Amino acid sequence: QSALTQPASVSGSPGQSVTISCTGTSGDLTTNNYVSWYQQHPGKAPKLLIYDVTNRPSGVSNRFSGSKSGNTASLTISGLQAEDEADYHCGSYTSRSTLVFGGGTRLTV
Amino acid sequence: QVQLQESGPGLVKPSETLSLTCTVSGGSVSSYYWGWVRQTPGKGLEWIGYVYNTGGSKYSPYLKSRVTTSVDTSKNQFSLRLTSVTAADTAVYYCAKVASWNYYDFEDWGQGTVVTVSS
Repeated sequence: QSALTQPASVSGSPGQSVTISCTGTSGDLTTNNYVSWYQQHPGKAPKLLIYDVTNRPSGVSNRFSGSKSGNTASLTISGLQAEDEADYHCGSYTSRSTLVFGGGTRLTV
Repeated sequence: QVQLQESGPGLVKPSETLSLTCTVSGGSVSSYYWGWVRQTPGKGLEWIGYVYNTGGSKYSPYLKSRVTTSVDTSKNQFSLRLTSVTAADTAVYYCAKVASWNYYDFEDWGQGTVVTVSS
C-alpha cells in the first residue's frame, strides 16, 4: 500500500555522501512541500530527521539534508558514519489530509 | 519532549478486536494532536490515523471502516481499536505525538508494541 516509492537499499563508505530518493504520485509530494524523513535503527522507534522537505528538528545533525524536484524528494547524508546505518522512511501529507509513507530504504555503511 | 508508552494484549485472535492504549507523560493529552502508526515485519511504516484533542479524528482510507480512536483526559491516555483483525494486522504498533509546527509529522514516538494475530 506504499504510495511513495523508495529504493530498497543503498550503501556508502564512511566519509562519503549518499542520497535516498522518494517518488510520489498525484495528490502527495508532487503537489505540496509536506515531505518528511524518518530514521529507524533496528528494534527502535522512528526518529524524525527532516520535515517540510528541508527543515531539521532541533538536535538533528546538519549532515542530514532534504530536497525536492518535481515528483521526487531526496534525503542526502554527508560524511557518512557507522551510526547512520539504519532504515530511512519518507512520508508525505496528502491533499486528502492523510499521511503516506514509502516502503523504507536500508542504508548500509 | 513528551514520553509515550503503548500497552495492550500482544496476542489477538482472528476476527476479534485489537485494543491498545498510549499513556502520555511529560505533557497533557489535551494540548496536542496524536497518532497511530504500524509496521509489519520487515516492511515500511503504515499510517493508521490522527487523534485530535478536540475529539475528532482522521483515519487511513484503507482502515477507516475498522478503526476507532478515543482520548481519556482523566488518565492522560489515548486509545486505538481495530476490529475484525486478520493475520495481515500483525505488526508493531506505535503511538506518537504530532509535531506542533506542522500538525501532521510525528516528533515523538512510543517504543512500539508487538501485536500478533493468531488463533
